[in-house]
Amino acid sequence: DTEVTQTPKHLVMGMTNKKSLKCEQHMGHRAMYWYKQKAKKPPELMFVYSYEKLSINESVPSRFSPECPNSSLLNLHLHALQPEDSALYLCASRHIGTGGAYGYTFGSGTRLTVV
Amino acid sequence: TQLLEQSPQFLSIQEGENLTVYCNSSSVFSSLQWYRQEPGEGPVLLVTVVTGGEVKKLKRLTFQFGDARKDSSLHITAAQTGDTGLYLCAGEDYGGATNKLIFGTGTLLAVQP
Repeated sequence: DTEVTQTPKHLVMGMTNKKSLKCEQHMGHRAMYWYKQKAKKPPELMFVYSYEKLSINESVPSRFSPECPNSSLLNLHLHALQPEDSALYLCASRHIGTGGAYGYTFGSGTRLTVV
Repeated sequence: TQLLEQSPQFLSIQEGENLTVYCNSSSVFSSLQWYRQEPGEGPVLLVTVVTGGEVKKLKRLTFQFGDARKDSSLHITAAQTGDTGLYLCAGEDYGGATNKLIFGTGTLLAVQP
């Protein structure tokens, strides 16, 4: 299995809703990432998990709450979002090792619309 | 703040033409990666270059990493309609377990039949 699977593919939520995005990989990668991508822009890093621990938070608002319950799963919990949070949310994973660079494997993303 | 500027931003060419995309930064990166992204999909890794001056070829695609490890280029020979997409360079800083990938500004390529 060489894929990163993200669910749901599309999500529409109101500003008072609570929802979660899910990301799963079975490649044994111990680094996992959340990126946010607005239309016609490059992906922007949000969070990095290494060995299931949060290692980087790029000053993301607290209405986004990441969670890594085990080495295969990464969640992003959403609460009280704003319309400007509408974007494509991408999950990625990467092998952690020495002696070289390892490419990142991205999921297809969740297209989030906040109304 | 590490920034990677890509040029051109947009490129529309005819099938069979050659093109080059540039990726420039004032920062030194441990590695430089190139991705291609299609609408509604995640980026897909094309290549990783690590050594300054390194050149890698992938069929019709040639990637080069600058000697100072601050810039890179992607050259496509005889472009095909299937090459259409958003091309992203991305610089990586080695932090061991806390590596992070910073994306360039992107180049949107349209290859017309």
